[in-house]
Amino acid sequence: NAGVTQTPKFQVLKTGQSMTLQCAQDMNHEYMSWYRQDPGMGLRLIHYSVGAGITDQGEVPNGYNVSRSTTEDFPLRLLSAAPSQTSVYFCASSEFPGQGGTQHFGDGTRLSIL
Amino acid sequence: GNSVTQMEGPVTLSEEAFLTINCTYTATGYPSLFWYVQYPGEGLQLLLKATKADDKGSNKGFEATYRKETTSFHLEKGSVQVSDSAVYFCALSDPQAAGNKLTFGGGTRVLVKP
Repeated sequence: NAGVTQTPKFQVLKTGQSMTLQCAQDMNHEYMSWYRQDPGMGLRLIHYSVGAGITDQGEVPNGYNVSRSTTEDFPLRLLSAAPSQTSVYFCASSEFPGQGGTQHFGDGTRLSIL
Repeated sequence: GNSVTQMEGPVTLSEEAFLTINCTYTATGYPSLFWYVQYPGEGLQLLLKATKADDKGSNKGFEATYRKETTSFHLEKGSVQVSDSAVYFCALSDPQAAGNKLTFGGGTRVLVKP
């Protein structure tokens, strides 16, 4: 059972480049989300989705786009990378509605913007 | 808005010592409370949770009790092992928020020495 799979694990970009962070889950979860983790700040929500075709902004959405065309996949796009986006990115999924429900996290993508 | 505050680390302990990590929260309504653990190089894993006041979550020797009167959810373990070295995150899920969003504390790094 793969759970939540994120690719790539590591990436180095130059300022202004674009890229897509991939996230896939095989648990048929409706709810998926993207977080960024920065030292001393915990995890902050970037975007989330409550089902295919439905996305919404989280706490820190600027500079990121998402789409949800299938239940399984929830890619995160950086259109023009900036050094402030250097971070570790985590994708998570859970059953929905999920009050009290467990979120399942991927192993993360470590992204450096030069 | 919702917020979670946890003690800053790092916390350095000897094996078999007692561990306490303080966590307090601010939320509207009645949130569910969680402790997640992140081992080096990995994503977050649910350690334990509590969904209503006075509930006690427990797992792997760790315990935390949902205290509504003090808005706290402190994590405790009576005898830590080297394998407990990790970063611990306190989090809440607000039933009034759309979806299953988590609000995280800043994380507490715990290092257990033999």
